[in-house]
Amino acid sequence: KAGVTQTPRYLIKTRGQQVTLSCSPISGHRSVSWYQQTPGQGLQFLFEYFSETQRNKGNFPGRFSGRQFSNSRSEMNVSTLELGDSALYLCASSLGGTVSFTDTQYFGPGTRLTVL
Amino acid sequence: DQQVKQNSPSLSVQEGRISILNCDYTNSMFDYFLWYKKYPAEGPTFLISISSIKDKNEDGRFTVFLNKSAKHLSLHIVPSQPGDSAVYFCAASAGGNEKLTFGTGTRLTIIP
Repeated sequence: KAGVTQTPRYLIKTRGQQVTLSCSPISGHRSVSWYQQTPGQGLQFLFEYFSETQRNKGNFPGRFSGRQFSNSRSEMNVSTLELGDSALYLCASSLGGTVSFTDTQYFGPGTRLTVL
Repeated sequence: DQQVKQNSPSLSVQEGRISILNCDYTNSMFDYFLWYKKYPAEGPTFLISISSIKDKNEDGRFTVFLNKSAKHLSLHIVPSQPGDSAVYFCAASAGGNEKLTFGTGTRLTIIP
């Protein structure tokens, strides 16, 4: 079974631009979560989508948005990029979205975004 | 407000000895805890988890202990191997469809 894939793997943008990141979950997984990882901050939860609906949201500004398609693929968009948005963006997929013993989150390799 | 804390950013352990990674949490609603391991240029991979109804869960060389009264959990790796060198994240959830809250990670280095 193919794992979680994220594209692109690396991205360089300048302040004020916008960016769209893509995540393809493991086949059969319906939940996709997005995280931002920065040095010293660990993984911070952005949002989670399940069956094309945003079900959970973290404490990020409205510049960060996402969506999920009917095939469970998800995209994350960041508008008006700031220097502080430079980070590794990770997505994780799981079966039904319930955090339990039977529903482990599987992570993709991440997209490294650098904002200049 | 860091609800899940890993106070040791790094840890070095001799190969063959025990590695103990610690994690503290503040939210008493957390009832499910996980450990993830992350190599450079890869996403985190699930290692082991524990529910709040247990105080210990073991999987091969990895054991997680949970002390609910102290709001503390620890991951023991015995014996430590060079391939265990990675960043370890603990995470917690309030259950159901609640999101995972991660700690800041501990970089474990196993010295051959």
